[in-house]
Amino acid sequence: DAGVIQSPRHEVTEMGQEVTLRCKPISGHNSLFWYRQTMMRGLELLIYFNNNVPIDDSGMPEDRFSAKMPNASFSTLKIQPSEPRDSAVYFCASSLNYANEKLFFGSGTQLSVL
Amino acid sequence: KQEVTQIPAALSVPEGENLVLNCSFTDSAIYNLQWFRQDPGKGLTSLLLIQSSQREQTSGRLNASLDKSSGRSTLYIAASQPGDSATYLCAVTPRGGYQKVTFGTGTKLQVIP
Repeated sequence: DAGVIQSPRHEVTEMGQEVTLRCKPISGHNSLFWYRQTMMRGLELLIYFNNNVPIDDSGMPEDRFSAKMPNASFSTLKIQPSEPRDSAVYFCASSLNYANEKLFFGSGTQLSVL
Repeated sequence: KQEVTQIPAALSVPEGENLVLNCSFTDSAIYNLQWFRQDPGKGLTSLLLIQSSQREQTSGRLNASLDKSSGRSTLYIAASQPGDSATYLCAVTPRGGYQKVTFGTGTKLQVIP
Protein backbone atom coordinates (compact mmCIF):
# COMPACT_ATOMS: atom_id res chain seq x y z
CA ASP A 1 0.00 0.00 0.00
CA ALA A 2 1.24 3.53 -0.73
CA GLY A 3 0.37 4.74 2.74
CA VAL A 4 -1.49 7.93 3.57
CA ILE A 5 -1.09 10.41 0.73
CA GLN A 6 -1.32 14.15 1.25
CA SER A 7 -1.20 16.97 -1.24
CA PRO A 8 0.25 19.44 -1.73
CA ARG A 9 3.52 18.91 0.17
CA HIS A 10 4.06 22.66 0.40
CA GLU A 11 1.62 25.53 0.05
CA VAL A 12 2.48 29.21 0.13
CA THR A 13 -0.40 31.63 -0.02
CA GLU A 14 -1.33 35.15 0.87
CA MET A 15 -3.52 36.14 3.77
CA GLY A 16 -7.19 36.01 2.88
CA GLN A 17 -6.85 33.31 0.26
CA GLU A 18 -8.63 29.98 0.43
CA VAL A 19 -6.47 26.93 1.09
CA THR A 20 -7.50 23.34 0.46
CA LEU A 21 -5.48 20.42 1.75
CA ARG A 22 -6.14 16.91 0.51
CA CYS A 23 -5.74 13.45 1.97
CA LYS A 24 -6.13 9.90 0.72
CA PRO A 25 -6.17 7.40 3.62
CA ILE A 26 -4.91 3.85 3.47
CA SER A 27 -7.43 1.63 1.71
CA GLY A 28 -9.60 -0.22 4.20
CA HIS A 29 -8.99 2.19 7.06
CA ASN A 30 -12.21 3.43 8.62
CA SER A 31 -10.91 6.33 10.67
CA LEU A 32 -9.26 9.52 9.45
CA PHE A 33 -7.69 12.29 11.48
CA TRP A 34 -6.46 15.80 10.70
CA TYR A 35 -3.68 17.17 12.92
CA ARG A 36 -1.80 20.45 13.01
CA GLN A 37 1.79 20.68 14.24
CA THR A 38 3.55 23.85 15.38
CA MET A 39 6.63 24.47 17.47
CA MET A 40 4.61 26.26 20.11
CA ARG A 41 1.68 23.85 20.49
CA GLY A 42 3.02 20.53 19.22
CA LEU A 43 0.53 18.16 17.59
CA GLU A 44 -3.12 19.12 17.87
CA LEU A 45 -6.06 17.05 16.73
CA LEU A 46 -8.37 19.18 14.60
CA ILE A 47 -11.07 16.72 13.58
CA TYR A 48 -11.59 13.02 13.05
CA PHE A 49 -13.94 10.93 10.98
CA ASN A 50 -15.21 7.39 11.40
CA ASN A 51 -16.76 5.73 8.38
CA ASN A 52 -16.77 9.12 6.63
CA VAL A 53 -18.78 10.75 9.42
CA PRO A 54 -17.25 13.60 11.45
CA ILE A 55 -17.13 12.43 15.05
CA ASP A 56 -15.40 15.24 16.89
CA ASP A 57 -14.49 18.64 15.46
CA SER A 58 -13.88 20.35 18.78
CA GLY A 59 -10.25 20.89 17.84
CA MET A 60 -11.08 23.00 14.81
CA PRO A 61 -9.83 26.43 15.86
CA GLU A 62 -12.35 28.64 14.14
CA ASP A 63 -15.21 28.69 11.68
CA ARG A 64 -12.65 29.49 9.02
CA PHE A 65 -11.67 25.82 9.16
CA SER A 66 -13.85 23.11 7.64
CA ALA A 67 -13.30 19.47 6.75
CA LYS A 68 -15.15 16.99 4.59
CA MET A 69 -14.91 13.33 3.79
CA PRO A 70 -17.19 12.66 0.81
CA ASN A 71 -16.07 9.03 0.51
CA ALA A 72 -13.81 6.48 2.15
CA SER A 73 -10.80 7.39 0.03
CA PHE A 74 -10.72 11.17 0.16
CA SER A 75 -10.83 14.01 2.65
CA THR A 76 -10.21 17.74 2.49
CA LEU A 77 -9.34 20.38 5.04
CA LYS A 78 -10.22 23.89 3.96
CA ILE A 79 -9.21 27.23 5.45
CA GLN A 80 -11.13 30.26 4.26
CA PRO A 81 -9.91 32.94 4.66
CA SER A 82 -6.39 32.00 5.63
CA GLU A 83 -4.35 34.00 8.15
CA PRO A 84 -0.62 34.05 8.95
CA ARG A 85 -1.25 32.29 12.28
CA ASP A 86 -2.53 29.29 10.34
CA SER A 87 1.02 28.62 9.16
CA ALA A 88 1.92 25.12 10.34
CA VAL A 89 2.38 21.56 9.15
CA TYR A 90 -0.94 19.80 8.65
CA PHE A 91 -0.96 16.03 8.91
CA CYS A 92 -3.57 13.53 7.91
CA ALA A 93 -3.57 10.12 9.58
CA SER A 94 -5.69 7.01 9.27
CA SER A 95 -6.26 3.86 11.26
CA LEU A 96 -8.09 0.61 10.76
CA ASN A 97 -10.79 1.66 13.18
CA TYR A 98 -11.27 4.34 15.75
CA ALA A 99 -9.80 2.54 18.70
CA ASN A 100 -6.87 0.37 19.59
CA GLU A 101 -5.12 0.51 16.27
CA LYS A 102 -1.90 2.09 15.09
CA LEU A 103 -2.08 5.51 13.51
CA PHE A 104 -0.49 5.90 10.07
CA PHE A 105 0.54 9.41 9.13
CA GLY A 106 0.99 11.11 5.82
CA SER A 107 4.05 13.23 5.07
CA GLY A 108 2.18 16.43 5.85
CA THR A 109 1.51 19.72 4.11
CA GLN A 110 3.74 22.63 5.07
CA LEU A 111 1.48 25.68 4.93
CA SER A 112 2.87 29.21 4.90
CA VAL A 113 0.42 32.11 4.91
CA LEU A 114 2.13 35.41 4.15
CA LYS B 1 -7.92 16.71 30.48
CA GLN B 2 -5.11 14.32 29.63
CA GLU B 3 -1.62 15.82 29.67
CA VAL B 4 1.37 14.00 28.25
CA THR B 5 4.89 15.08 29.16
CA GLN B 6 8.22 13.97 27.76
CA ILE B 7 11.47 14.75 29.48
CA PRO B 8 14.11 15.58 28.39
CA ALA B 9 13.17 17.66 25.38
CA ALA B 10 16.52 16.82 23.79
CA LEU B 11 19.14 14.15 24.29
CA SER B 12 22.55 13.59 22.76
CA VAL B 13 24.39 10.28 23.19
CA PRO B 14 27.41 8.56 21.62
CA GLU B 15 26.82 5.71 19.21
CA GLY B 16 26.44 2.32 20.84
CA GLU B 17 24.97 3.58 24.08
CA ASN B 18 21.74 2.17 25.47
CA LEU B 19 19.22 4.86 26.31
CA VAL B 20 15.78 5.43 27.82
CA LEU B 21 13.19 7.97 26.80
CA ASN B 22 10.47 8.89 29.26
CA CYS B 23 6.77 9.66 28.88
CA SER B 24 4.33 10.53 31.65
CA PHE B 25 0.58 11.04 31.51
CA THR B 26 -1.91 12.40 34.01
CA ASP B 27 -5.00 10.24 33.40
CA SER B 28 -4.45 6.50 33.79
CA ALA B 29 -7.76 5.60 32.11
CA ILE B 30 -6.11 4.88 28.80
CA TYR B 31 -6.85 2.48 25.98
CA ASN B 32 -3.35 2.26 24.61
CA LEU B 33 -0.07 4.13 24.32
CA GLN B 34 1.94 4.50 21.15
CA TRP B 35 5.52 5.54 20.52
CA PHE B 36 6.25 7.36 17.29
CA ARG B 37 9.34 8.50 15.48
CA GLN B 38 9.43 11.71 13.44
CA ASP B 39 12.26 12.58 11.09
CA PRO B 40 12.77 16.21 10.02
CA GLY B 41 10.24 17.26 7.39
CA LYS B 42 8.45 13.93 7.58
CA GLY B 43 5.34 12.48 9.11
CA LEU B 44 5.18 10.27 12.17
CA THR B 45 5.96 6.57 12.03
CA SER B 46 4.41 4.29 14.64
CA LEU B 47 7.08 2.24 16.40
CA LEU B 48 5.24 0.37 19.13
CA LEU B 49 1.71 0.21 20.47
CA ILE B 50 1.05 -1.05 24.01
CA GLN B 51 -2.47 -2.03 24.97
CA SER B 52 -3.65 -0.94 28.41
CA SER B 53 -3.60 -4.57 29.57
CA GLN B 54 0.02 -5.06 28.51
CA ARG B 55 3.22 -4.19 30.35
CA GLU B 56 5.62 -4.00 27.42
CA GLN B 57 6.18 -4.44 23.72
CA THR B 58 9.38 -5.18 21.84
CA SER B 59 10.49 -4.63 18.27
CA GLY B 60 14.10 -5.25 17.38
CA ARG B 61 16.29 -2.94 19.45
CA LEU B 62 13.26 -1.13 20.85
CA ASN B 63 11.40 -2.01 24.01
CA ALA B 64 8.50 0.02 25.38
CA SER B 65 7.06 -0.45 28.85
CA LEU B 66 3.84 0.80 30.39
CA ASP B 67 2.95 1.39 34.03
CA LYS B 68 -0.60 2.73 34.08
CA SER B 69 -0.80 3.10 37.83
CA SER B 70 2.08 5.53 37.89
CA GLY B 71 1.21 7.12 34.56
CA ARG B 72 4.53 6.32 32.94
CA SER B 73 5.97 4.73 29.86
CA THR B 74 9.56 4.30 28.77
CA LEU B 75 11.10 3.59 25.39
CA TYR B 76 14.38 1.71 25.64
CA ILE B 77 16.73 1.81 22.65
CA ALA B 78 19.57 -0.68 22.73
CA ALA B 79 22.93 -0.13 21.03
CA SER B 80 21.95 3.25 19.57
CA GLN B 81 22.96 4.10 16.00
CA PRO B 82 23.22 7.43 14.14
CA GLY B 83 20.15 6.36 12.14
CA ASP B 84 18.15 6.46 15.36
CA SER B 85 18.50 10.25 15.42
CA ALA B 86 14.98 11.66 15.27
CA THR B 87 12.26 13.07 17.48
CA TYR B 88 10.38 10.47 19.50
CA LEU B 89 6.81 11.15 20.59
CA CYS B 90 4.51 9.18 22.81
CA ALA B 91 0.76 9.34 22.41
CA VAL B 92 -2.07 8.21 24.66
CA THR B 93 -5.50 7.03 23.53
CA PRO B 94 -8.30 7.48 26.06
CA ARG B 95 -10.43 4.57 27.22
CA GLY B 96 -13.88 4.01 25.83
CA GLY B 97 -15.76 5.78 23.08
CA TYR B 98 -13.86 7.24 20.21
CA GLN B 99 -10.19 7.70 19.66
CA LYS B 100 -8.83 11.09 20.61
CA VAL B 101 -5.13 10.73 20.95
CA THR B 102 -3.06 13.12 23.06
CA PHE B 103 0.56 13.55 22.00
CA GLY B 104 3.56 14.49 24.06
CA THR B 105 5.86 17.23 22.83
CA GLY B 106 8.63 14.77 22.03
CA THR B 107 12.27 14.09 22.80
CA LYS B 108 14.76 15.04 20.11
CA LEU B 109 17.46 12.39 20.03
CA GLN B 110 20.87 12.81 18.47
CA VAL B 111 23.20 9.81 18.27
CA ILE B 112 26.75 10.93 17.63
CA PRO B 113 28.98 8.65 15.52
